[in-house]
Amino acid sequence: GAGVSQSPSNKVTEKGKDVELRCDPISGHTALYWYRQSLGQGLEFLIYFQGNSAPDKSGLPSDRFSAERTGGSVSTLTIQRTQQEDSAVYLCASSATGLTEAFFGQGTRLTVV
Amino acid sequence: GESVGLHLPTLSVQEGDNSIINCAYSNSASDYFIWYKQESGKGPQFIIDIRSNMDKRQGQRVTVLLNKTVKHLSLQIAATQPGDSAVYFCAENAGNFNKFYFGSGTKLNVKP
Repeated sequence: GAGVSQSPSNKVTEKGKDVELRCDPISGHTALYWYRQSLGQGLEFLIYFQGNSAPDKSGLPSDRFSAERTGGSVSTLTIQRTQQEDSAVYLCASSATGLTEAFFGQGTRLTVV
Repeated sequence: GESVGLHLPTLSVQEGDNSIINCAYSNSASDYFIWYKQESGKGPQFIIDIRSNMDKRQGQRVTVLLNKTVKHLSLQIAATQPGDSAVYFCAENAGNFNKFYFGSGTKLNVKP
């Protein structure tokens, strides 16, 4: 596609359930980022993938959060045993090399009830 | 540095005035900087970038200034319009770390 695509756009889940958020980066982009944005707040870094290198997971808030990037393209962010504080917009971005502009998707708004 | 759960500061300006949004970055090794605009309900969008070998770069109605001595970045918007109302983020990239760090953001409110 022409841009970064995220799905679903909205997700409501019950506390304690697992959720998977998907990101389709721009074709050919080697760098992929996940950020979290709580209402009215800034961007919180979660995880970064660059090519075949080991991902930088330093921003993941707990071991309930994990992410994969298959075949250097699509990425899935998984949150296990969701908590109400996980409610936020989860943004994915990709960059051609990691040293150039990052393009963002529209985000997935996650609401844990 | 990275923003973690910070409440956004707000800048209110009158339509037609110039706006200046400031950002302090933390890594003296950062050599590439971007300003992003995020409108309500949307993902951040690229506005303008600058590399560390420059002090100033101009786009359409926007100018970015970089002061490496004090690690400060600013975005100037000329003749601010209601459509400029959004949250603005600066992002820094240190080539050796190969990823972007985002500032905490500033909300720009343009009054008609």
